[in-house]
Amino acid sequence: QVQLQESGPGLVKPSGTLSLTCAVSGGSISSSNWWSWVRQPPGKGLEWIGEIYHSGSTNYNPSLKSRVTISVDKSKNQFSLKLSSVTAADTAVYYCARVGADCDWGQGTLVTVSS
Amino acid sequence: QLVLTQSPSASASLGASVKLTCTLSSGHSSYAIAWHQQQPEKGPRYLMKLNSDGSHSKGDGIPDRFSGSSSGAERYLTISSLQSEDEADYYCQTWGTGIHWVFGGGTKLTVL
Repeated sequence: QVQLQESGPGLVKPSGTLSLTCAVSGGSISSSNWWSWVRQPPGKGLEWIGEIYHSGSTNYNPSLKSRVTISVDKSKNQFSLKLSSVTAADTAVYYCARVGADCDWGQGTLVTVSS
Repeated sequence: QLVLTQSPSASASLGASVKLTCTLSSGHSSYAIAWHQQQPEKGPRYLMKLNSDGSHSKGDGIPDRFSGSSSGAERYLTISSLQSEDEADYYCQTWGTGIHWVFGGGTKLTVL
């Protein structure tokens, strides 16, 4: 089973850029899977942010597309999320996930947008 | 528009069975879904993929107490012999165009 671990700053200032990394262990990021980011505002449901394949092909949620960049670093077996121009509405627990025939989730990391 | 509808809450007694429902929006009754469990203060856990014909494939280590079934636009998750650790939020999810992962609003299951 693949393990995923999110990391990055827990506090980001409004108008800044949120940057997170998901380290993949127990499997290769070059395998036939999509690598996704999902977020969950406090007390609310899940929202898909976007995904990347090891080739670099990406898909993004249209509501976030103008602010989101997902990239992959095969040498480090990890992938990353950047979300620009953040506001308080972007405060959430951010999860990374492996999506193939089945799915593995990371444990999530809380990012708070506040000055 | 592809929408998944779930009841906000459900409850059942310890040792009993419960059937949670996820309803696909009109025109999408052939879609497969996935069920995910989120225990309190934890990340989601993949339970299974459920097809429109009721066939399903579970994730590694998912107990036999968890099963799925389908009828028309409805997808069900049945949990038998309820245990305290089954108290969690349950999300259904499907695959769309544009928004590749579409989630239902989740059902909060309380084990009495």
